[in-house]
Amino acid sequence: ETGVTQTPRHLVMGMTNKKSLKCEQHLGHNAMYWYKQSAKKPLELMFVYSLEERVENNSVPSRFSPECPNSSHLFLHLHTLQPEDSALYLCASSQGTGDMWRTNEKLFFGSGTQLSVL
Amino acid sequence: GENVEQHPSTLSVQEGDSAVIKCTYSDSASNYFPWYKQELGKGPQLIIDIRSNVGEKKDQRIAVTLNKTAKHFSLHITETQPEDSAVYFCAASPYNNNDMRFGAGTRLTVKP
Repeated sequence: ETGVTQTPRHLVMGMTNKKSLKCEQHLGHNAMYWYKQSAKKPLELMFVYSLEERVENNSVPSRFSPECPNSSHLFLHLHTLQPEDSALYLCASSQGTGDMWRTNEKLFFGSGTQLSVL
Repeated sequence: GENVEQHPSTLSVQEGDSAVIKCTYSDSASNYFPWYKQELGKGPQLIIDIRSNVGEKKDQRIAVTLNKTAKHFSLHITETQPEDSAVYFCAASPYNNNDMRFGAGTRLTVKP
């Protein structure tokens, strides 16, 4: 296992539902990420948190709302989603050292939540 | 921003043969090039990475080569085994993880 756990593994929701995705890392890392993976498309970075502070928001619609209560946990709150939001949502973490904004760090991914919006 | 193209999208080889996956990138400032392997039902896992001050890197049956002039890099897997079957992603980054861009992936199938 990678040390990054995501729940639930699968989620089906209607467009009017509100749901949350959860990610937990047991690696002692300080940085956490949300990625969206759609079929036959490159991974898309959605959000980055460093030491519980959001440092990146790649023009993601407001129907996706992240939350990072501490450096080990990351949530993605979902509401009024569209069918095109159906995808695999991946959480990742990296060490998050003081140099992380000047260098690349290895990413450790969870297994993802497969989301279907009906 | 960076744009990464990956080819082929699918690759099928016989067990024991070699497999090569190629990627091109657009931003000449990119200096970090990781490769990730994603098995069915799992998240991507880093298998090898290379920085721009190195032209080639090997780790057992896996090697990555980088041509900065041509802005392309390749993953080479020798003596392929059925457990190498997975989707492989390349990525390129000029500065840090926020700027990293991934290729669309190559589905490798190794036939026994």
